[in-house]
Amino acid sequence: DGGITQSPKYLFRKEGQNVTLSCEQNLNHDAMYWYRQDPGQGLRLIYYSQIVNDFQKGDIAEGYSVSREKKESFPLTVTSAQKNPTAFYLCASSIWDPGQGQPQHFGDGTRLSIL
Amino acid sequence: AQSVTQLDSHVSVSEGTPVLLRCNYSSSYSPSLFWYVQHPNKGLQLLLKYTSAATLVKGINGFEAEFKKSETSFHLTKPSAHMSDAAEYFCVVATSGTYKYIFGTGTRLKVLA
Repeated sequence: DGGITQSPKYLFRKEGQNVTLSCEQNLNHDAMYWYRQDPGQGLRLIYYSQIVNDFQKGDIAEGYSVSREKKESFPLTVTSAQKNPTAFYLCASSIWDPGQGQPQHFGDGTRLSIL
Repeated sequence: AQSVTQLDSHVSVSEGTPVLLRCNYSSSYSPSLFWYVQHPNKGLQLLLKYTSAATLVKGINGFEAEFKKSETSFHLTKPSAHMSDAAEYFCVVATSGTYKYIFGTGTRLKVLA
């Protein structure tokens, strides 16, 4: 079955540490996205990528970095510069052009906490 | 600019009674609209989408939504709530030519036995 796999499900970060969240899709989608979810705030866009080797900052990119070396993979690194990383992180993918009714498909998320 | 407002942060209904989750949107152009459901510690699952083909859209699990351009609304309904419907629901708008899906802040649905 096609889908999006996020790992790990739970992740703990120590002070000053960078951590990387994995996102893999086998839907053959061009576009991939990372969102941060905090209680009562909906989803906020961190980074998105339309094609391989290209990505753009979203609304809250500070303290995060991404890469897109393969179509299937879009890992997110939470750097030590992100002072409040505790949140639920969701990866999504879609056929490009949201306005043409292409829905996003979501992974099951990674919950990141500070030790 | 696009925006989405979910008018209720929490909704409680009794099992077997109708569900109404309200969503108003703002978009400069013809929007695409989506409803997603999220169960605890899970990702979002698509319930239904509107893309200008028909104003009444039927989705999975008995949900449907009606697009009303004059009211800029896209409310989600279900005739009879089931315990398994208890979850958080998100209304989303997108406009052609932009990269963004704009999410509402969510409505938590509680179903009482």
